[in-house]
Amino acid sequence: QKEVEQDPGPLSVPEGAIVSLNCTYSNSAFQYFMWYRQYSRKGPELLMYTYSSGNKEDGRFTAQVDKSSKYISLFIRDSQPSDSATYLCAMSVSSASKIIFGSGTRLSIRP
Amino acid sequence: AAGVIQSPRHLIKEKRETATLKCYPIPRHDTVYWYQQGPGQDPQFLISFYEKMQSDKGSIPDRFSAQQFSDYHSELNMSSLELGDSALYFCASSLGSISTYEQYFGPGTRLTVT
Repeated sequence: QKEVEQDPGPLSVPEGAIVSLNCTYSNSAFQYFMWYRQYSRKGPELLMYTYSSGNKEDGRFTAQVDKSSKYISLFIRDSQPSDSATYLCAMSVSSASKIIFGSGTRLSIRP
Repeated sequence: AAGVIQSPRHLIKEKRETATLKCYPIPRHDTVYWYQQGPGQDPQFLISFYEKMQSDKGSIPDRFSAQQFSDYHSELNMSSLELGDSALYFCASSLGSISTYEQYFGPGTRLTVT
């Protein structure tokens, strides 16, 4: 079993909908939680990172971490067709340790 | 803003040949990371360098080696290439070795081994 689990999708929603992307993990030592967006044939783009539990908001994006449930989420409000991409969660134990990626969720926003 | 630069963007090699991938980090970034991403897979960490020293090692085959130079650029050398080495290879950089959570990725090099 992988340390980080992520539903591969694909997830298809209409434009303007609220999107919820999730990851679960098994290693309770993870402290840093990241979300990356990857367009086809491009490198992953860092969207947000959070430390420990709590919420973090950046524009239309909100990241949530629930360490008690070992569950993290990324919410996208007012989704746009340009948000169509693969979203990868990633985690690390410390600020100096390698990051472990989830397998990514393919998201498609229908105009 | 300047981003991570990788060259070449595409590379085709035959089995048993060697390949060298180059990575130029974001200016002032002193830490580089190498990842391998197979089709439909998540990026797998290979190796990282901070201030020209190896800082961490992942699932890098013995046939691969890497180094970081004084200008912080890095090169990934791959020898005795196998068909299974065909993948996207990403380089990422960060400012300092204790900010692995804030890595910025390059566009990748697509390696095809025939």
